[in-house]
Amino acid sequence: GQNIDQPTEMTATEGAIVQINCTYQTSGFNGLFWYQQHAGEAPTFLSYNVLDGLEEKGRFSSFLSRSKGYSYLLLKELQMKDSASYLCVSRGAGNKLTFGGGTRVLVKP
Amino acid sequence: NAGVMQNPRHLVRRRGQEARLRCSPMKGHSHVYWYRQLPEEGLKFMVYLQKENIIDESGMPKERFSAEFPKEGPSILRIQQVVRGDSAAYFCASSPQGTGYEETQYFGPGTRLLVL
Repeated sequence: GQNIDQPTEMTATEGAIVQINCTYQTSGFNGLFWYQQHAGEAPTFLSYNVLDGLEEKGRFSSFLSRSKGYSYLLLKELQMKDSASYLCVSRGAGNKLTFGGGTRVLVKP
Repeated sequence: NAGVMQNPRHLVRRRGQEARLRCSPMKGHSHVYWYRQLPEEGLKFMVYLQKENIIDESGMPKERFSAEFPKEGPSILRIQQVVRGDSAAYFCASSPQGTGYEETQYFGPGTRLLVL
């Protein structure tokens, strides 16, 4: 089966760091994506992990542990424009993506 | 390089009418995916198509919904005899051929369907 869990909401202060955790159960797992989605807009690709470890891309980093079925997205030096939903997405057999419900991050001044 | 295009962006239909949603993938992409997002919920996979082929339609409702991706032209998601529960945002994504990183899916802006 396919299942993804991530927190519903998180609040942080501008300039701070926030870590969004995600656990997944995906048959035929072959990749973990993070997307950002602003209200009323399309999801935009942030990161992709398929091997264990940390991938850093500017202010955003993503980590994967395949043995634990666990990933996190780390957002550093938070800016107001980072207020959005962050979607943890696993890819399984047949290229099928399974989306988590998203974590709504609210950045306060 | 234009991104994934979807039209219309907003569509209003009365119960019982047909809704036709179009998606043009990114240039060079031959794989198209349709997702539905209900208000305050996550995206749910509906169907995966390549040119002239349906690869996986396991997320499509059994009745009233159909999808195609012809040799020429955009992919079409068709909903017949719409009901209020069909009101949602419908997102199309595309990816190039290949495996691994190249299979990242890029999303269009979505079509927001409202059924009155």
